Amino acid sequence: KAGVTQTPRYLIKTRGQQVTLSCSPISGHRSVSWYQQTPGQGLQFLFEYFSETQRNKGNFPGRFSGRQFSNSRSEMNVSTLELGDSALYLCASSRTGTTNEKLFFGSGTQLSVL
Amino acid sequence: DAKTTQPNSMESNEEEPVHLPCNHSTISGTDYIHWYRQLPSQGPEYVIHGLTSNVNNRMASLAIAEDRKSSTLILHRATLRDAAVYYCILRGVTSYNQGGKLIFGQGTELSVKP
Repeated sequence: KAGVTQTPRYLIKTRGQQVTLSCSPISGHRSVSWYQQTPGQGLQFLFEYFSETQRNKGNFPGRFSGRQFSNSRSEMNVSTLELGDSALYLCASSRTGTTNEKLFFGSGTQLSVL
Repeated sequence: DAKTTQPNSMESNEEEPVHLPCNHSTISGTDYIHWYRQLPSQGPEYVIHGLTSNVNNRMASLAIAEDRKSSTLILHRATLRDAAVYYCILRGVTSYNQGGKLIFGQGTELSVKP
């Protein structure tokens, strides 16, 4: 069974640009959540999608958005990039996201903003 | 928020058991105790979870105190590949870690000496 796949693995952008990251969950998983990891702030929850609807949202500005498609694949978009957006972006999937389930994480997309 | 407290770092010798503690004095009756770990340059990886009873799997054991205010992750024989940051997370209706949302603390950085 294939794991959670994130593309691209690495990305370099400049300030002011926008970026789209992709996450393909494990087959049959309908919950996809996104996290930002930086050395200073650690792992922070961005948002979660379940059946194409945003179900949970973290404390990030509106420049960070996402969506989920009918096949459960998810994309995350960051507009007007800032230097501080440089981070490892991780996505995770689970069947329904109940508290008794485990989450499966991808290897992440390393975004560098110059 | 139901919060967890973990030591910042611990050291272990290879092939010896490791006991990683976690305090969660505000846990509610419906909160599950989850453990994840993150190896360098990888996404977090599920380790184990439980509600009230001790749990065992191929990776580790989870010992839960009778009053559930603390738990201990046990690695029976540490290997160099177990060097990682270990996160103890409560998931349940009252911990706000619902759905695919996980709130990560600082975790415990485990180093393993050969």
